[in-house]
Amino acid sequence: DAGVIQSPRHEVTEMGQEVTLRCKPISGHNSLFWYRQTMMRGLELLIYFNNNVPIDDSGMPEDRFSAKMPNASFSTLKIQPSEPRDSAVYFCASSFSIEQFFGPGTRLTVL
Amino acid sequence: GENVEQHPSTLSVQEGDSAVIKCTYSDSASNYFPWYKQELGKGPQLIIDIRSNVGEKKDQRIAVTLNKTAKHFSLHITETQPEDSAVYFCAASVHYTGTASKLTFGTGTRLQVTL
Repeated sequence: DAGVIQSPRHEVTEMGQEVTLRCKPISGHNSLFWYRQTMMRGLELLIYFNNNVPIDDSGMPEDRFSAKMPNASFSTLKIQPSEPRDSAVYFCASSFSIEQFFGPGTRLTVL
Repeated sequence: GENVEQHPSTLSVQEGDSAVIKCTYSDSASNYFPWYKQELGKGPQLIIDIRSNVGEKKDQRIAVTLNKTAKHFSLHITETQPEDSAVYFCAASVHYTGTASKLTFGTGTRLQVTL
């Protein structure tokens, strides 16, 4: 099993640019979660999907953030426009029942 | 909403000694408590979890205890090894069968095992 796959692993962009982070969950999992990790705020849940449907997006910080899950094997997290304070590591996790399995993360740096 | 506090923030132990990390939670409805280990540059890895219908769970050198009355749970690592050095996170959630589980994480404990 390849586990949760995220791309890119590193992203450096300039303020104002659009950023798209990608996630492929573990095959057969029906829930997908996007987290953000920073030194100041720790691990925060941004949004999660169940059976490709967004269930709770209360953690999405602003309208600049959006997430989609067009099918069971792919999800994107988009930031438009990006700002320096968005710099963080973004994790995707998936689950079938209760245990959540995390991907390796995307380290985003916004200059 | 749920609030999870974790202590200590850093912990240094000698190889072979035991390490204990403690967490408290606020929502008495929480019923699922996983622990994650995060190594540098990697994503959190689930190492053990406990549900509110049990008080203790062991897996080799790792054990977790839960006190529902006091709303706290702890991770115990015995016979620590250098490869146990990492950041450990506790989490809590209210889990309903058949639904996704929204985790609230503690702030993490950096464990260093010295030779």
